[in-house]
Amino acid sequence: LAKTTQPISMDSYEGQEVNITCSHNNIATNDYITWYQQFPSQGPRFIIQGYKTKVTNEVASLFIPADRKSSTLSLPRVSLSDTAVYYCLVGPPSNDYKLSFGAGTTVTVRA
Amino acid sequence: DTGVSQDPRHKITKRGQNVTFRCDPISEHNRLYWYRQTLGQGPEFLTYFQNEAQLEKSRLLSDRFSAERPKGSFSTLEIQRTEQGDSAMYLCASSLFGSELAGTDTQYFGPGTRLTVL
Repeated sequence: LAKTTQPISMDSYEGQEVNITCSHNNIATNDYITWYQQFPSQGPRFIIQGYKTKVTNEVASLFIPADRKSSTLSLPRVSLSDTAVYYCLVGPPSNDYKLSFGAGTTVTVRA
Repeated sequence: DTGVSQDPRHKITKRGQNVTFRCDPISEHNRLYWYRQTLGQGPEFLTYFQNEAQLEKSRLLSDRFSAERPKGSFSTLEIQRTEQGDSAMYLCASSLFGSELAGTDTQYFGPGTRLTVL
């Protein structure tokens, strides 16, 4: 499985855009990039998934450069309720039964 | 609410006791997963089922741990002779295998069972 590196923590203020970059230098050809969000005392929740270029949904955007060695999760106009841990996962569909979470990035949004 | 449910939400036990947790997946989801999460770390995979078959077990799952999914619906995770090192959040997730046209199946997690072994 591709190893991922992401910042341990990030601080932001309400209304700002938060960008979390994940490095995955040894990503394989058939790997997808997936982000999960976890609030305290809850299980992780799927946010977004992509393979290349840009993916956008109602919650976030995912930017993937052509070399796919990194990806950036973008959270527009965050609110206090976006305070959570965000995990970047990289892996192939054949291995999707065994999600491999790192320590994630703790995002703290302040008023 | 038709999400994944887990019971109990909290369990405090003494070392050496046996505990059992239950997970009810989203109905019609054919895959069910168990993870363990300790403080400050991401969840770690323990095992998973496709329907009633247990297809893989992590090396983290010692002989004291056993999981079942007898009718391909709910699942139980039992820990025998608990140790203080078993204290963690035990998370259950489910998915509908093969539901995505591309990419990986989305796993839907329950709220977890927090186990404290005294």
